[in-house]
Amino acid sequence: AQRVTQPEKLLSVFKGAPVELKCNYSYSGSPELFWYVQYSRQRLQLLLRHISRESIKGFTADLNKGETSFHLKKPFAQEEDSAMYYCALSMEPQGGSEKLVFGKGTKLTVNP
Amino acid sequence: EPEVTQTPSHQVTQMGQEVILRCVPISNHLYFYWYRQILGQKVEFLVSFYNNEISEKSEIFDDQFSVERPDGSNFTLKIRSTKLEDSAMYFCASSFRGQDEQYFGPGTRLTVT
Repeated sequence: AQRVTQPEKLLSVFKGAPVELKCNYSYSGSPELFWYVQYSRQRLQLLLRHISRESIKGFTADLNKGETSFHLKKPFAQEEDSAMYYCALSMEPQGGSEKLVFGKGTKLTVNP
Repeated sequence: EPEVTQTPSHQVTQMGQEVILRCVPISNHLYFYWYRQILGQKVEFLVSFYNNEISEKSEIFDDQFSVERPDGSNFTLKIRSTKLEDSAMYFCASSFRGQDEQYFGPGTRLTVT
């Protein structure tokens, strides 16, 4: 079965420090990986997806198929990055809708 | 920018009662989803809907659950006889194509007493 693991429930860093949110997945096929973010009192929104290879708000994530990981990184954290971050996976397209399998989330706090 | 909307934001109901959670997906989207998040747990997929039928459902989505797109704009989730364990945040999402980004609504918090 597909599974997404985010080992850290809470992560606290100081402003300007590097941050890495870990995500590992279990899936036998070729997954598509996403990071969703939920700021306080806001909805879940897509931060980035691995196929787009974009850097959003300074965040990047590289899919490492050998380690089955998709860690989210930012070299210099900002206070406004404080939020809940969810890693999610969708499976190989099967011609229909693609459900997302989520990890439990990591709450990032960036201290001044 | 268009958004997915959900009503109500909070619903309190008694065990055994029926509830209907409402969602208005983004207007040109074709794929619709319901997810739920029990407090402290992960967001879990419930069901996906395309072309007026369910395309996939999870084990959670048993006979007590149903979905409907009664008109061109609304997408509803009905729970026929609520249980205490149905208490959760329910999120609706939509996408234009199946493999596109899913846009989430703000959620409906369902409390079953």
